[in-house]
Amino acid sequence: NAGVTQTPKFRVLKTGQSMTLLCAQDMNHEYMYWYRQDPGMGLRLIHYSVGEGTTAKGEVPDGYNVSRLKKQNFLLGLESAAPSQTSVYFCASSTGLAASGNEQFFGPGTRLTVL
Amino acid sequence: AQSVTQPDIHITVSEGASLELRCNYSYGATPYLFWYVQSPGQGLQLLLKYFSGDTLVQGIKGFEAEFKRSQSSFNLRKPSVHWSDAAEYFCAVQGGKLIFGQGTELSVKP
Repeated sequence: NAGVTQTPKFRVLKTGQSMTLLCAQDMNHEYMYWYRQDPGMGLRLIHYSVGEGTTAKGEVPDGYNVSRLKKQNFLLGLESAAPSQTSVYFCASSTGLAASGNEQFFGPGTRLTVL
Repeated sequence: AQSVTQPDIHITVSEGASLELRCNYSYGATPYLFWYVQSPGQGLQLLLKYFSGDTLVQGIKGFEAEFKRSQSSFNLRKPSVHWSDAAEYFCAVQGGKLIFGQGTELSVKP
């Protein structure tokens, strides 16, 4: 049982390049989330999904797209990377609604630098 | 709107000393409250959570937290800090979505 895994662990991009971050979970969770972590700002929600085939915007969605084609995978895409997207990205998953107090399980993170 | 404030950006304590990390929240109803720990280069690990009932909750690694509704606080405590506790600690409130505080970095002196 690997929990939540993220690929890649590190990546350096040039401005304008695109990339996709992959999150996978083996806990059969319905809900999945993408956060970014920046110094002094905690974690901020980018996008989330409440089930296969669904996605929704979080607090800071601009410049990102997501897809949830399979229940176990949640992809985060950057179509044209900008230096402001330099951050550490965390994926998380949970069994149910945040409002019901369901615990979120986090992946190890992806450190992205955009030059 | 829900929000979380961790007033202390960085705290240094001596090994063996007691620890209290502060967390204040803003939420209209009784929230679900969490403390997570992040070791360097790692993801977040849940230390403890409060949903309802007893306002003093016990977590892993010897941590505990007390929910005080009158003060809108959920402070994290540990009686005796170990060097391995050096990490960043995040308080979070869950109403509609999970909202994190800014984090408190804990350093432990030998």
